[in-house]
This record gives sequence, structure tokens and C-alpha cells, in this order.
Amino acid sequence: DGGITQSPKYLFRKEGQNVTLSCEQNLNHDAMYWYRQDPGQGLRLIYYSQIVNDFQKGDIAEGYSVSREKKESFPLTVTSAQKNPTAFYLCASSWGSDGNEQFFGPGTRLTVL
Amino acid sequence: QKEVEQNSGPLSVPEGAIASLNCTYSDRGSQSFFWYRQYSGKSPELIMFIYSNGDKEDGRFTAQLNKASQYVSLLIRDSQPSDSATYLCALVLNSGNTPLVFGKGTRLSVIA
Repeated sequence: DGGITQSPKYLFRKEGQNVTLSCEQNLNHDAMYWYRQDPGQGLRLIYYSQIVNDFQKGDIAEGYSVSREKKESFPLTVTSAQKNPTAFYLCASSWGSDGNEQFFGPGTRLTVL
Repeated sequence: QKEVEQNSGPLSVPEGAIASLNCTYSDRGSQSFFWYRQYSGKSPELIMFIYSNGDKEDGRFTAQLNKASQYVSLLIRDSQPSDSATYLCALVLNSGNTPLVFGKGTRLSVIA
């Protein structure tokens, strides 16, 4: 059953803690992405990766970090430096990052207590 | 000017009517255009993509692209309450080899 999985679905964090959001895909896609969505807002790009062991900053990378050690995995760490991390986080993947449609995982809702 | 602009809505249409969702963009060289549907609390799902000027039909959905006027639209015929969602327009900038750029979306409400 091919697709993109994200875990956990809901995550609660205390201020000052780092948390890591998981994203896995078995679609054999080369490119993977992380977006943040706030209520009533569009998608804002955090980081993306076109190939293993390489990634680029998006529009709002400050306070976040990623790694791409395996083609199928692209975890996102929300660090304590991110001042307002409460949001809906969406992972996506595509065959490439040059115009191919992106497919999204179910998302992780992060709440900072 | 923002790269992708959509009216945030809500756009309210009666059941059975045609819903028309519009999107304008600033990068004249943009080539690939996508429409996503997002239900409240869920992730976006791809509905259609269009690359060439003109109309592209898929069931009750029609995408229309006019590169000269820099707009792309999505028509939903025979609208159903289940179509109530936020519709996101996305495109690839002329520079290519970059992730999709998304609009903020238009919220559609179909009234039974």
C-alpha cells in the first residue's frame, strides 16, 4: 500500500523542548518537502530535499532542521529556537522538484503547551 | 505582488450549481498549474493539473488556463455539499526545479 506516512498525528511539546516529526514514503519519490500551515493560512515551505544527503531551506527555515539520510525518510526537528511552533505540519513528496505534482501525508498537529 | 493570489472566500453556492474558483499569478513564465482540495483538518489532495492553455475536464471538474491573462480557474459542476472545502492553487515558477508555490486557498461552501 503505497503512500506517505507521518507520525505522530498529534504532538504536544513544552516550551524549550526539541521535537522530531517523522515522514516516510514508499513511492520511490526523489523529492520530499516540509510545509507549515497556520489557521486560515496557506502552505509555507520550511525545507525541501531533491536527493539523499542534500536539502535546501524554504521560506521559513529558521528554528527548524532536517536530514535526508535515506530516500524514503525526511524527518523534521522543531527546535526551541522556533518561537511560535504551534501549527499543522505537512510532509509531501514528488518524483522531482521541477514541476511534478506533490502528494501529501496526513499531517502532524503540533501544540506547544 | 504575491506570486499566487486567490480570493479567500468563503464562496457560497447552492447545491447543483456551478462553483467557479479563480487564481491569478505574477510569474508570466509559469508552466505547470495544480489544484488541490483540502478538507478541514486534513491534508491537501491533488484534484487536477494543467499545463496548456485552454480547458481540461475530469468528471465534474474543469480546469481552465489562460497564460496571456495569467489566470487559472477551477469549475465544479453540479456542486455537492461534499465539495465544501478549501481549494488551493499551486504552480511552478519559471525558474523551474523548485517546489510548488501555493496560494492561500479559497473556501467553498455548498449549501444543500
